[in-house]
Amino acid sequence: AQTVTQSQPEMSVQEAETVTLSCTYDTSENNYYLFWYKQPPSRQMILVIRQEAYKQQNATENRFSVNFQKAAKSFSLKISDSQLGDTAMYFCAFPTYSGGGADGLTFGKGTHLIIQP
Amino acid sequence: KAGVTQTPRYLIKTRGQQVTLSCSPISGHRSVSWYQQTPGQGLQFLFEYFSETQRNKGNFPGRFSGRQFSNSRSEMNVSTLELGDSALYLCASSSGQGAGEGETQYFGPGTRLLVL
Repeated sequence: AQTVTQSQPEMSVQEAETVTLSCTYDTSENNYYLFWYKQPPSRQMILVIRQEAYKQQNATENRFSVNFQKAAKSFSLKISDSQLGDTAMYFCAFPTYSGGGADGLTFGKGTHLIIQP
Repeated sequence: KAGVTQTPRYLIKTRGQQVTLSCSPISGHRSVSWYQQTPGQGLQFLFEYFSETQRNKGNFPGRFSGRQFSNSRSEMNVSTLELGDSALYLCASSSGQGAGEGETQYFGPGTRLLVL
């Protein structure tokens, strides 16, 4: 079974600091995708960043970047120059591969990130 | 483009009743997935519909069912409600390639269901 583990239930940093959220996963697939989603207090889930496993280059989206280590099955999210609007739950997600497709996404338990002014 | 809409946003039901939730995907999207979010279990995949057919299903009892219409709008139904069904139900739409192909899922604001 595929699992996604986020070991930090909550993190708090000062505005403008850099923060890294960790995620590990387990899979027997060789090529796959990994996602980070953000859920602010409004509860609307928003895609932050996506990584394709066969691409060695780490994905970046403005202030958000990942450190993807395929062999270690690790997929951490780095947020640079953190802003108050980054306060949210962050979920690491992985497609639940079965047969020829994927049964939706498997989400980690989430990390509650609080940006302090 | 308008985003994913879900109705109703809040719902209170009693044990034993049934409930129907609705989801309208982004225009042009053919896939709708449903997720249940609870404090204890987190986010769990319920099922996915593509072109009016259930394409994938999570590990939920048969009391949870869904359907998709020709305009891609989807409904999910929960019969014989239990207290444990209290949750935020999220709907996500995508063009149809599937999460396994790296496709972005666009989520709605959710329907919060409280079962008393």
